[in-house]
Amino acid sequence: AAGVIQSPRHLIKEKRETATLKCYPIPRHDTVYWYQQGPGQDPQFLISFYEKMQSDKGSIPDRFSAQQFSDYHSELNMSSLELGDSALYFCASSLFQGAIGYTFGSGTRLTVV
Amino acid sequence: KNEVEQSPQNLTAQEGEFITINCSYSVGISALHWLQQHPGGGIVSLFMLSSGKKKHGRLIATINIQEKHSSLHITASHPRDSAVYICAGGLAGNQFYFGTGTSLTVIP
Repeated sequence: AAGVIQSPRHLIKEKRETATLKCYPIPRHDTVYWYQQGPGQDPQFLISFYEKMQSDKGSIPDRFSAQQFSDYHSELNMSSLELGDSALYFCASSLFQGAIGYTFGSGTRLTVV
Repeated sequence: KNEVEQSPQNLTAQEGEFITINCSYSVGISALHWLQQHPGGGIVSLFMLSSGKKKHGRLIATINIQEKHSSLHITASHPRDSAVYICAGGLAGNQFYFGTGTSLTVIP
């Protein structure tokens, strides 16, 4: 069965550079969630989108932005990268109506050097 | 107090032992997930529960909605089961609440 696809799997960037992470939800899923997990830390919710509109916002820095496109894939744009942004970023998708079906992607490992 | 709490935080077991990880939550959820994360790895969804019990191989997950409690059991544990196990729950369209994780080490 198709899963949540994230790209790239690994990314190395220098400080002050920008990065774009992509998340392709399971077909027919209309909601995407982004999480950040620092080394040895719990996942932190960043932001979610339902039907291309932001539905919930967590601890997303102002340097980050995200959007959901008409095909329901989502992109997380990160600018002015800092060393502390090094983390595993993973997304999940679900079908808003009916509630059940959260599925996680395998994540993008971002390393800022 | 976390919305989702797990116990124990760390667990070491001998190969073959029966293992139980517990999860209690205080928020309203539409489903609860048990997740597995290997060091440096992504998250793998093991179970998604809204009621009752599910079984997959040596893994069993149960949930009691009234008591807001779930358990993950591993029978005949094996070193390859060593990982962090996380329970998480939430409502559709809203953020997920994650437990702090249980780090399991199974010794041969």
